[in-house]
Amino acid sequence: KQEVTQIPAALSVPEGENLVLNCSFTDSAIYNLQWFRQDPGKGLTSLLLIQSSQREQTSGRLNASLDKSSGRSTLYIAASQPGDSATYLCAVRDNTDKLIFGTGTRLQVFP
Amino acid sequence: DVKVTQSSRYLVKRTGEKVFLECVQDMDHENMFWYRQDPGLGLRLIYFSYDVKMKEKGDIPEGYSVSREKKERFSLILESASTNQTSMYLCASSFALGLSGNTIYFGEGSWLTVV
Repeated sequence: KQEVTQIPAALSVPEGENLVLNCSFTDSAIYNLQWFRQDPGKGLTSLLLIQSSQREQTSGRLNASLDKSSGRSTLYIAASQPGDSATYLCAVRDNTDKLIFGTGTRLQVFP
Repeated sequence: DVKVTQSSRYLVKRTGEKVFLECVQDMDHENMFWYRQDPGLGLRLIYFSYDVKMKEKGDIPEGYSVSREKKERFSLILESASTNQTSMYLCASSFALGLSGNTIYFGEGSWLTVV
């Protein structure tokens, strides 16, 4: 059964730092991997989607990489800002069309 | 912009009541999902529908049922609400595997408290 793990569970950094969030999964037979952001009490907002054949995707200050063979993905946030404070979730999609989520990394960026 | 709308943001219901949570999407997506989210447990799939009138159990279907009579609408039903169903419920939708994008889109969530 696919399991998705995110480390660290929580992270607190000063504004301006570059940071890396990690996601690992146990079964490399994935269709794609998606990173989400969740603000307190709200739904999930999609940040980046990486297909299984891709190595990375970029959007603004965000860069997500995928290494399927080792079961890992990273989300890189450049020049972090207080507005980046949120919980970040990764999820893998298997060939049954379902998403399996990690438990998230809670990020706080302080001024 | 894709929109997934959950009709109720906050509900308080009594134990034993029948509860309906409604979700509508406007992108003609084949797939629709219901998740619940609890602290420390993350998001867990309750039910999944890949077409009208089609449904598939997720990881925690006990105590829930679903209805998909129209492509754009997916309802989650708690037949007899219990206190352990107090949670945040999230609806999502996407195109089917193999079609463009495959990004999954979420609604804003419904906070349900059962007293």
